[in-house]
Amino acid sequence: DAGVIQSPRHEVTEMGQEVTLRCKPISGHNSLFWYRQTMMRGLELLIYFNNNVPIDDSGMPEDRFSAKMPNASFSTLKIQPSEPRDSAVYFCASSPLGGLGGNTIYFGEGSWLTVV
Amino acid sequence: SQELEQSPQSLIVQEGKNLTINCTSSKTLYGLYWYKQKYGEGLIFLMMLQKGGEEKSHEKITAKLDEKKQQSSLHITASQPSHAGIYLCGAATGANNLFFGTGTRLTVIP
Repeated sequence: DAGVIQSPRHEVTEMGQEVTLRCKPISGHNSLFWYRQTMMRGLELLIYFNNNVPIDDSGMPEDRFSAKMPNASFSTLKIQPSEPRDSAVYFCASSPLGGLGGNTIYFGEGSWLTVV
Repeated sequence: SQELEQSPQSLIVQEGKNLTINCTSSKTLYGLYWYKQKYGEGLIFLMMLQKGGEEKSHEKITAKLDEKKQQSSLHITASQPSHAGIYLCGAATGANNLFFGTGTRLTVIP
């Protein structure tokens, strides 16, 4: 079975540019999560969706960040405009509906973003 | 807010040695997840513990959750270079999400 698929795997962009990260969750999973990982702050939850609806976006750092889930098989995380401090690994993860009532969260391999 | 503290932050062991990584929560856990991450890769699920006193094993890795559900340990027996990586514990809150400790970086010297 295909796991969580993220693209791009690596991106280098200039400050001020728009960055769009993409995620395809595991088929049948109804919960989708976006995490950011940095050396300083570790792994942080940015936002999560249940049935395509954003449930908690309190982890989204600023208005420059936005996330959408137009359907059950696709989500985007957009940064506009990007800044050097946004450089991090961004992970998408999914789990069956019911979230953590005994369900495991499965992670993609991450998108490595460098903003110069 | 709930906090997860992992110890040690890094660990270097000789191949064949046993080791233990700890994860402590400031609050009672609804569930405790262990993941492993290799550099440049995503998180690989290892085990999940939900009940106080629960213990699970997979190959040479054993995870335990204490009775109070505030502390978990991950024990590796006869470590191998393939065990090297970053081990992360994740805590399930009452809400539908998972937040993580800062990780333990394990190096196994052949």
